[in-house]
Amino acid sequence: QQQVKQSPQSLIVQKGGISIINCAYENTAFDYFPWYQQFPGKGPALLIAIRPDVSEKKEGRFTISFNKSAKQFSLHIMDSQPGDSATYFCAGYYTGGFKTIFGAGTRLFVKA
Amino acid sequence: DVKVTQSSRYLVKRTGEKVFLECVQDMDHENMFWYRQDPGLGLRLIYFSYDVKMKEKGDIPEGYSVSREKKERFSLILESASTNQTSMYLCASSLYAQGAAGYTFGSGTRLTVV
Repeated sequence: QQQVKQSPQSLIVQKGGISIINCAYENTAFDYFPWYQQFPGKGPALLIAIRPDVSEKKEGRFTISFNKSAKQFSLHIMDSQPGDSATYFCAGYYTGGFKTIFGAGTRLFVKA
Repeated sequence: DVKVTQSSRYLVKRTGEKVFLECVQDMDHENMFWYRQDPGLGLRLIYFSYDVKMKEKGDIPEGYSVSREKKERFSLILESASTNQTSMYLCASSLYAQGAAGYTFGSGTRLTVV
């Protein structure tokens, strides 16, 4: 199975709060897990990515936590801001399969 | 700034029409992709190409074809548009095979078939 399951579908967070988006995958051959951020009227843009030999990666307010044994990974947005309001997609990729499999997306709204 | 440009932001076409969606990238990327985006379904791969004149089917190729005559240009063709092809279409390119280094997406074409 190649699915990447993403939750929640939508998320409302107060300004300054922590936004958490979760993803689970089935294909243990995935060797790259990117997150994309999409603003209305724009295409998705690569936000942050992690490889399965790393348990955590942090870039500014964005952190990916990766649990290889549970086949789960999550995006944490610390000190969430209204400008973070967007749709977020997790994905899995494996070199041999030549495919990037995307999750269904999470619409985040940060209230001012 | 690197760019993937999709020729139309919005298109309205009639059922049965042949539809061309154009995409151009200026990054000299070998790999180009066409996705469609539907609410609750995420991004689904239609076709991709890793070289000029090369094409590979993605997960949902039925009703679509593609053309890549030049490295920078990748066209998606709806041979006979149907209402279930109403969607947002996203073009992307990448330097490495299938997104290993991350995709650069265009802004999308919202197609409505009536």
